[in-house]
Amino acid sequence: DQQVKQNSPSLSVQEGRISILNCDYTNSMFDYFLWYKKYPAEGPTFLISISSIKDKNEDGRFTVFLNKSAKHLSLHIVPSQPGDSAVYFCAASIQGAQKLVFGQGTRLTINP
Amino acid sequence: KAGVTQTPRYLIKTRGQQVTLSCSPISGHRSVSWYQQTPGQGLQFLFEYFSETQRNKGNFPGRFSGRQFSNSRSEMNVSTLELGDSALYLCASSLVGAGVVREQYFGPGTRLTVT
Repeated sequence: DQQVKQNSPSLSVQEGRISILNCDYTNSMFDYFLWYKKYPAEGPTFLISISSIKDKNEDGRFTVFLNKSAKHLSLHIVPSQPGDSAVYFCAASIQGAQKLVFGQGTRLTINP
Repeated sequence: KAGVTQTPRYLIKTRGQQVTLSCSPISGHRSVSWYQQTPGQGLQFLFEYFSETQRNKGNFPGRFSGRQFSNSRSEMNVSTLELGDSALYLCASSLVGAGVVREQYFGPGTRLTVT
């Protein structure tokens, strides 16, 4: 079963605008969430994370929001830059379980 | 600090053969995890090692195995290869004590093609 879902396989955004990537989860035991960025032929690169005790975490142009009641998290990128074009994965973990559960990924394309 | 390294980067094998992939974690990282990425299934967790012990295993057949050495380097082995084993195999390391894995840092992966 798909415990972490990214329902949008692709997203196209104009350079300079905000990119919003969404992720839903079903397992209420998840207590830590992460976003990764992946270019072709490379491994995923860690971007930003958030603990379930918080509802927002910021790092430069990247902000992650967590809505526990809706079991939903989102990644905001402001402003979007051409170098942000990549596949973005959200992932979740459960305390005590030594693994990450990944969504299927969203391909973000930033148009000039 | 050097990142996670994986060797080889590309590999072509025939059905029925076996393969061993290698991973060197970031210096000081003691937890190493392995994932399989395929177009249909996405990133799937294989197993995680810490201090030479497998702490968790994903839902893969026993043909998939791994180990970790005292210097934290890890290997994974796939025996009796099947066409469906063709995938990108990713290794990730994490700076963690005896507690929970959080941020994991990935290597570039090994692209395995089974013919």
